[in-house]
Amino acid sequence: GQSLEQPSEVTAVEGAIVQINCTYQTSGFYGLSWYQQHDGGAPTFLSYNALDGLEETGRFSSFLSRSDSYGYLLLQELQMKDSASYFCAVRDSNYQLIWGAGTKLIIKP
Amino acid sequence: SAVISQKPSRDICQRGTSLTIQCQVDSQVTMMFWYRQQPGQSLTLIATANQGSEATYESGFVIDKFPISRPNLTFSTLTVSNMSPEDSSIYLCSAEGPQFGRDTDTQYFGPGTRLTVL
Repeated sequence: GQSLEQPSEVTAVEGAIVQINCTYQTSGFYGLSWYQQHDGGAPTFLSYNALDGLEETGRFSSFLSRSDSYGYLLLQELQMKDSASYFCAVRDSNYQLIWGAGTKLIIKP
Repeated sequence: SAVISQKPSRDICQRGTSLTIQCQVDSQVTMMFWYRQQPGQSLTLIATANQGSEATYESGFVIDKFPISRPNLTFSTLTVSNMSPEDSSIYLCSAEGPQFGRDTDTQYFGPGTRLTVL
């Protein structure tokens, strides 16, 4: 079967750095995406990695290692507004998005 | 990028009735999708709606229960038929396509429809 694993919940302090990991097992792989969803809101796209390495976009970075079937989302200089759920999603061989269960990020002042 | 709107934003319905959810995209898109999401849980894909062809349903979802229309490249509807309390959920539509430029892997989501079935 196809599966993505990410922690259900992560807690961090405002101003700190947090890493959310995602491991995947899918039939085929085109790329790993990350989405953010605030309570009551819609998922919004954060990043996409098709190749190994680190992609940086402002305070957010995303990393991929295809040989390890592993990626992570790194959030720096955490702000209270970063409190949200973060989903990793993989494009499988059918180019369909397979979603992880989501990680709830709790930020404490 | 794309802006997606959904109507209604929320509704409370009686068991046995049907509700049609509308999804409008501000640009023409190749692929549109319908998801269901329980609060605090992940997204479950119901079906892929392609213009000019039948929708493709995921395992566990059938056309009789969730008929979908895709009359053009900017609009789709999802009907939740013969509803039961188990259908209470948030229903999200999304869109993607190469016309969005470099973000070719991006799915853009509507704000969702919160459905409660009594």
